Amino acid sequence: EVQLVESGGGLVQPGRSLRLSCAASGFTFDDYAMHWVRQVSGKGLEWVSGISWNSGSIDYADSVKGRFTISRDNAKNSLYLQMNSLRAEDTAFYYCAKDISGQSPPTIYFDNWGQGTLVTVSS
Amino acid sequence: DIQLTQSPSFLSASVGDRVTITCRASQGISSYLAWYQQKPGKAPKLLIYAASTLQSGVPSRFSGSGSGTEFTLTISSLQPEDFATYYCQQLNSYPFTFGGGTKVEIK
Repeated sequence: EVQLVESGGGLVQPGRSLRLSCAASGFTFDDYAMHWVRQVSGKGLEWVSGISWNSGSIDYADSVKGRFTISRDNAKNSLYLQMNSLRAEDTAFYYCAKDISGQSPPTIYFDNWGQGTLVTVSS
Repeated sequence: DIQLTQSPSFLSASVGDRVTITCRASQGISSYLAWYQQKPGKAPKLLIYAASTLQSGVPSRFSGSGSGTEFTLTISSLQPEDFATYYCQQLNSYPFTFGGGTKVEIK
């Protein structure tokens, strides 16, 4: 059974940093691209960042470009999101999601999602 | 960036109704479109991929159609468990944008 478990969320002051992790199991992690998607409570979904199976292809939403860094450690079956210079508008649930493909874009869909970790940016 | 305009944003319907949700892309995305269902407090669940392919285990009352810039999700006979929020997502090019969502509520 595929499992994606996010951790690292919490309350952080504006301008500070936070690192999210996503522990993957139940599949061959280094075969698949991975993504971070966020959702402000009660609002819609926003794709944040994606990384290919070998970290050769990486991209970010404009809203986080230059502040967030996605990475993965295939030996540890883990995905990360380093978030710097956090802003109040970064407050959201952050989901990690598994791509059906190893290399994207393009791709077909995200087939598994974690349950999310809440990041709250407030003084 | 490719924008996805989903309509309506809110829909009130009764059990047994036929429901159609539209997703329009700002530029052509071939068939690289997926539909997700999300219930409160839960992660999104894949319903349809490649615009019209039903994900395994999803009831056949759900169907998708379209290509290029116009897509639709149809629920042929709304069931109580279908009351949720639905999102389209384009996977043609980064950033992988989502539509604004359609909340389907009980009439």
